Amino acid sequence: AQKVTQAQTEISVVEKEDVTLDCVYETRDTTYYLFWYKQPPSGELVFLIRRNSFDEQNEISGRYSWNFQKSTSSFNFTITASQVVDSAVYFCALRGPSGSARQLTFGSGTQLTVLP
Amino acid sequence: KAGVTQTPRYLIKTRGQQVTLSCSPISGHRSVSWYQQTPGQGLQFLFEYFSETQRNKGNFPGRFSGRQFSNSRSEMNVSTLELGDSALYLCASSLAVGGGTDTQYFGPGTRLTVL
Repeated sequence: AQKVTQAQTEISVVEKEDVTLDCVYETRDTTYYLFWYKQPPSGELVFLIRRNSFDEQNEISGRYSWNFQKSTSSFNFTITASQVVDSAVYFCALRGPSGSARQLTFGSGTQLTVLP
Repeated sequence: KAGVTQTPRYLIKTRGQQVTLSCSPISGHRSVSWYQQTPGQGLQFLFEYFSETQRNKGNFPGRFSGRQFSNSRSEMNVSTLELGDSALYLCASSLAVGGGTDTQYFGPGTRLTVL
């Protein structure tokens, strides 16, 4: 069975602070895929990144960076110099390679509030 | 390229009624998945369709059903509505290039309220 845990339910920071959102996953698959999505108040889930299990290279995209560590089954997301527009719910998700494992298994989400 | 579209955006129904939600995927995308989002249960997978066939199904009662048309558009139906069916229903589309490599892109959702 697949499981994703986002222990931080809510985080509040002041604008320009750095913030890290934690994600821990469980899977028996040797090949799997990890995702981060952002859900603003409008409700639509916005895709941010996909990481394959065989690629542990960390990635940076502007103010966003992701740290994937298979040894600790974690896929953490850091926002540098946060902005008010970053306020949203962020979901980490896991997907297996085929069959019933293809469905996305989501964590419970982290509500990020960036205060001006 | 247009994103995933879902209609209607909001629905209010009463218990016992049935409802049909529609989803148009991104052009060229062949797979459509549906998810239910509630405050208590979070985001839960309903089903996935590819080439007009249900490829995968989540743990939901038979009152929840869906289908996909030849143009990849999809509909989901909920019969005999219950109060607990109140939720945001999200549709996602992907290229379905094989395995789990493809990325699902989500629509804005349909917010269903059951009174």
